This record gives sequence, structure tokens and C-alpha cells, in this order.
Amino acid sequence: DIQMTQSPSSLSASVGDRVTITCQASEDISNNLNWYQQKPGKAPKLLIYDASNLETGVPSRFSGSGSGTDFTFTISSLQPEDIATYYCQQYNNLPGFGPGTKVDIK
Amino acid sequence: EVQLVESGGGLVQPGGSLRLSCAASGFTFSTYWMHWVRQAPGQGLVWVSRIKGDGSATNYADSVKGRFTISRDNAKNALYLQMNSLRAEDTAVYYCARGDTSRKTHPYWGQGTLVTVSS
Repeated sequence: DIQMTQSPSSLSASVGDRVTITCQASEDISNNLNWYQQKPGKAPKLLIYDASNLETGVPSRFSGSGSGTDFTFTISSLQPEDIATYYCQQYNNLPGFGPGTKVDIK
Repeated sequence: EVQLVESGGGLVQPGGSLRLSCAASGFTFSTYWMHWVRQAPGQGLVWVSRIKGDGSATNYADSVKGRFTISRDNAKNALYLQMNSLRAEDTAVYYCARGDTSRKTHPYWGQGTLVTVSS
């Protein structure tokens, strides 16, 4: 099975800050990497697919990059409504999620 | 508009069974892989199972293999998860999620249904 790690597990940042989350796969998954946002009590929401493609309707302050085993998710200017937990997901064969990164406001 | 509505969750004793349902609307159900993903209280997302659009192929996470069965009824636009031999560690919110024809993603999710396994 492909193992996913994410760092940090949590972070606290100020409104307007640039926030970066990294995700690493235990083997090469090409660009089969997605990012989801989950707010408390809600279902996950797809933000980025195929490592770097912005899902329709998602604000452009969200972005993703990477391929192979190392991936990065960035919020260019953190907004109060971005408080959530963010998960990477590999979908090279069967899907699997990273452990999540909880983002809150400092 | 794509809608996925789960039902069937509840309290069940260890060793018991439960059947979850997911009613789908707003898209051609038989075209898509459908998935179950669960989330234990305060924990992360865990993929559970998937089934191909025509029902001809299924996959399971190792943690549920042999105990859970995914199925679908394309005439009713419905997805199911039969859960047997339930354990305390199966306690979670269970989400159904739709796949995508051209992307390896889950662009649509239901609101989830809570399964609690406890005596």
C-alpha cells in the first residue's frame, strides 16, 4: 500500500499569510494527487486535482504543485474562511489519504 | 445538481450488522465508480471501498475485507454498504463519494451517516 505523510500536522497563521503544506508519498504516484478541504461537521471538498489543477469554483489563492513523491499545497493569502483541515489524497491505484493538516488563525 | 444522500447509520452492538444506503441524483449513476469513505470521531479520512459503474468490479480496504460488501442498484440510483461483524473501530461517519470519468478524484460527497458500534 502507498503511505502518505503530511506536514505539519497543524499550523497557526495570520490572515493574509502564505501557508504551505507538504505531502509525501511512499512511492512514485506521478501526478495522481488531490487536495481536499474539510470544515468541522462537513464533507470534504475537492480543491486541487492532478497535483496542480484548480477545481472549478475554487478561489485562485489555493494552488498545488509537485509530482512523483513530493507535493506542496499553498494558500497564498490566508482568509478566515480557510480555517479547516486539509488532506492530500493519492489515487495511483486505490485511493488513500494523508493524515491531514489542521489550519487555524493566529 | 449532483446529490448524494446517505442513510442507515445508527447504534449497533459489536458483532452486529448494518446496511448503509446512498441515494444518488443529478447524474447518470451507472457511469461512475462509487466509493465509501469513513472518518472516525476526531480522526482523518479513510477510504473503505469502491464499485465500478456496472457493478462488475469492487475493491476494499484491508481493514474491512471479508466483513463489508459494497453493491449498487443502477435502476434505483442507489449505492449500498453491507457491514457485518462490526467492531468498535468501525465507529465512524461514513460518506459516499462519486468518482469521475476522466479524473482520479472524488468531486462529490454526501453529508455522511454516523455508525456507532458499542455495547
